[in-house]
Amino acid sequence: AQKITQTQPGMFVQEKEAVTLDCTYDTSDQSYGLFWYKQPSSGEMIFLIYQGSYDEQNATEGRYSLNFQKARKSANLVISASQLGDSAMYFCAMREVQTGANNLFFGTGTRLTVIP
Amino acid sequence: DSGVTQTPKHLITATGQRVTLRCSPRSGDLSVYWYQQSLDQGLQFLIQYYNGEERAKGNILERFSAQQFPDLHSELNLSSLELGDSALYFCASSVEAGGTGELFFGEGSRLTVL
Repeated sequence: AQKITQTQPGMFVQEKEAVTLDCTYDTSDQSYGLFWYKQPSSGEMIFLIYQGSYDEQNATEGRYSLNFQKARKSANLVISASQLGDSAMYFCAMREVQTGANNLFFGTGTRLTVIP
Repeated sequence: DSGVTQTPKHLITATGQRVTLRCSPRSGDLSVYWYQQSLDQGLQFLIQYYNGEERAKGNILERFSAQQFPDLHSELNLSSLELGDSALYFCASSVEAGGTGELFFGEGSRLTVL
C-alpha cells in the first residue's frame, strides 16, 4: 500500500485565490511527522510546513496551513492568496519513527499552476 | 537556504563513465540521505548514513555506492553510467537517524548522461 497518496496530478488556481492540495497517508505508527515540500522548475526541494502527529493545532507558516485530520489520515495543504510564484510541484511526505530503515515517504506530487 | 550543500549542481557525462556527487550536511546533522528523482520514478530513496555508518538502504543499484566521511560529508559514486541514470540527485540531512523531524534538502545535482 502507498504510504502517501496525492490524488491530484495537476491543479489550477486563479491568482489571489486559495487552493487546497490533498494528501492522505497510511501508517500504523502513533508518532509520525508530515511535511510539504515545494519544488519549482529550478529543481530545489523547499520545505514549506511540518505537522507532528501529536500536535493538536494545525500548523501554519505564513500563507501555508496544513489541514490535519488525524482520524481521516489526511494532511491537506492550503495555500491562501495564491501568487504566480506558487506555480510548482508540491510533495507531501511522511516520516515514521523507525530506525534502520528509510522512514521518509513521498507522494507523487501535485503540479500547481497559478493563473494570472 | 537549507544549509545542505551539494556539488556539482549540473553534470553532463557519457554512458559508461563514472561520477562522484558530493554533499555537505547542515552543521550538526549526523544523518545524510540520498534520493534520486527521475521523471518516471519520482523520488526514490537510495541510501542513508548516520555518523559514518550505513543506516538504511533503498533502491540503490550495485553500480552506485556511497560513503560518509569523518567530517560527515558524503559522496555518492555512480559508475558504468547508463542513459537511465539521468536524474536529479538530492542529498538531505537531519540530526538524528530516525525520528519524525524535518529533513533538510540540498538543491540537488542534475546529472545528464548522453
